[in-house]
Amino acid sequence: GAVVSQHPSWVICKSGTSVKIECRSLDFQATTMFWYRQFPKQSLMLMATSNEGSKATYEQGVEKDKFLINHASLTLSTLTVTSAHPEDSSFYICSASLRSNQPQHFGDGTRLSIL
Amino acid sequence: GIQVEQSPPDLILQEGANSTLRCNFSDSVNNLQWFHQNPWGQLINLFYIPSGTKQNGRLSATTVATERYSLLYISSSQTTDSGVYFCAVGAGGTSYGKLTFGQGTILTVHP
Repeated sequence: GAVVSQHPSWVICKSGTSVKIECRSLDFQATTMFWYRQFPKQSLMLMATSNEGSKATYEQGVEKDKFLINHASLTLSTLTVTSAHPEDSSFYICSASLRSNQPQHFGDGTRLSIL
Repeated sequence: GIQVEQSPPDLILQEGANSTLRCNFSDSVNNLQWFHQNPWGQLINLFYIPSGTKQNGRLSATTVATERYSLLYISSSQTTDSGVYFCAVGAGGTSYGKLTFGQGTILTVHP
């Protein structure tokens, strides 16, 4: 149980394109999901907390107009990288947990390359 | 916010050797997880261990919450154990659910 699915796994697109990444909890409902970013040879950094039915909470230094988060249902959160540029190229990964005192389960991540 | 320090940053082993990875954290936690990140980027959840000791095959972990550290033991290492090992911690209150990751330990196991 507690499977998190992320799609797509790999995206290559031109500069200026907007890219949407989906994160789904397959066998449980998640009122809260988290989005992380990982640059090459670095650790994972939390970008934002996605809250079902309300606005996302962004970490300091993360542009909310650049990274749009929508959590319209209890099983789906989406991250849209708007007008992506080469510096947005990174590995994006989401997580969710079954309950507040349970471990976080991660999707397989999305590798985004902006040309 | 909470600080997480992992050591060593790099570890090179011969197949069959044992190793210990350490994770120090700066504040009380209600979540601590160990992950293995494979070459494709997937985070494999090894242990959810905010306190106590757990074992799973050749791997075991111990968290001493009062002293703010956790240890991951790998016995009889295999080449497939190679990769990056992350410790991630979560605090309570308004930070509930968020994880702060350490910088990782890069493990290389040679045949």
